[in-house]
Amino acid sequence: SQQGEEDPQALSIQEGENATMNCSYKTSINNLQWYRQNSGRGLVHLILIRSNEREKHSGRLRVTLDTSKKSSSLLITASRAADTASYFCATRKAGAQKLVFGQGTRLTINP
Amino acid sequence: EAQVTQNPRYLITVTGKKLTVTCSQNMNHEYMSWYRQDPGLGLRQIYYSMNVEVTDKGDVPEGYKVSRKEKRNFPLILESPSPNQTSLYFCASRFVREGGTDTQYFGPGTRLTVL
Repeated sequence: SQQGEEDPQALSIQEGENATMNCSYKTSINNLQWYRQNSGRGLVHLILIRSNEREKHSGRLRVTLDTSKKSSSLLITASRAADTASYFCATRKAGAQKLVFGQGTRLTINP
Repeated sequence: EAQVTQNPRYLITVTGKKLTVTCSQNMNHEYMSWYRQDPGLGLRQIYYSMNVEVTDKGDVPEGYKVSRKEKRNFPLILESPSPNQTSLYFCASRFVREGGTDTQYFGPGTRLTVL
C-alpha cells in the first residue's frame, strides 16, 4: 500500500512564484525523501530529512517535517521553467529497507 | 560517472515472448530494486535485492523474476509477458547502511509495450 500521498496532484504557477507541495504518510518513519522526475525519465533525489529533523534547506528547496501530523512539505522558491516536473515523496519506515513512493505532484511553471 | 544503466530503453514485444531487461550500477551498492510506474498508480516495487544472491518480492511481483548473481547487475525477467505488464520500468540502487546516505539512484527507465 502507498505510504506517502502528495497534495495537490497537480499545481500550475507563474515563473518566479513559490511552489509548495505536501506529503502525508501513515506510519512511523526513519526518513522522508523528495525526488523529481522529468517527463518519462528516471527519478532524481532532491533532499532527505530524517525523523529527528524538522526543517532542511538545499538551494531553493526547503523541506519541513512534522512527525506528529505525519506530514512533510516541499517548498521551491523563485520557481523557474526548468522546475516543471513531477515531485514524489518517499518514506522509509523505521527498521525497514524499502522506500515507498507516493503518486506525485505534477508541477507546471508557466513562463 | 556514478550511474544506473538499463537496457533496452524501449521495447515492443508480443504476448508470451520471454524478455529480459538488464540493470547495472557502478557504485558498489548493495541494495537494488525494480519498480513499475503506471498512470494514477505511482511507483510500485516489483522485486528488490539486499545483496548478491539475496532477493525478495516487492508489492507487485507476479509475472516477474529477478536474479542477483553479481553485485552490479540485477536483471528483470518476464518469462511470459502479458499486455498488463505494459509499463515504464525503473531500476534503482543504493547503499544499505544505517545512518548513512539513503539516496536512491534511478536508471533512465525502460518503456515496455506488450501487444
